[in-house]
Amino acid sequence: GEDVEQSLFLSVREGDSSVINCTYTDSSSTYLYWYKQEPGAGLQLLTYIFSNMDMKQDQRLTVLLNKKDKHLSLRIADTQTGDSAIYFCAETGGTSYGKLTFGQGTILTVHP
Amino acid sequence: DTGVSQNPRHKITKRGQNVTFRCDPISEHNRLYWYRQTLGQGPEFLTYFQNEAQLEKSRLLSDRFSAERPKGSFSTLEIQRTEQGDSAMYLCASSRVTGGYTEAFFGQGTRLTVV
Repeated sequence: GEDVEQSLFLSVREGDSSVINCTYTDSSSTYLYWYKQEPGAGLQLLTYIFSNMDMKQDQRLTVLLNKKDKHLSLRIADTQTGDSAIYFCAETGGTSYGKLTFGQGTILTVHP
Repeated sequence: DTGVSQNPRHKITKRGQNVTFRCDPISEHNRLYWYRQTLGQGPEFLTYFQNEAQLEKSRLLSDRFSAERPKGSFSTLEIQRTEQGDSAMYLCASSRVTGGYTEAFFGQGTRLTVV
């Protein structure tokens, strides 16, 4: 079945880069996503990557995909205190209708 | 467009009572999803509608749970005979049919506490 795993915690200093890692098991995943969740808020889509891509850059965010190892990472450059949140990796597996399987989330804490 | 709206935001109920949650998706979105999120976990898929048709239900959705989307617009999720294990955040999301990529927009959720 589908499984997505993430490390639980990451702590960085303001201005440093953050790297959040994710592994998944479903090799039929066509799209992989990164969502952000702040306290009391819903999930916000940050970025996504298509499975035939290795890298995608979007302003301060860089997504790297190693399809062979089923490893996905999100790098946040120049991390700010406002980036403190829970970050979820998610994949759609082989479904065509957007059903998401999420990891358990990485709590990012940014210290001033 | 105000995004995906969920009501109520919080619900406290006694064990054994029935509860109903409502989700209003983004107006042009024909796909609607329900997820459940417990503390310290990622959201787990419960069910999916395309227009008014319920096309997939997770095995997490026991017989006590029922979801409807009667006119292909808003959706309701009802839990009968609530149990303490039902305490969670219930999230609704909607998306539009596209060629491949799906961007699901999430509501802020309904937090259920069963006492």
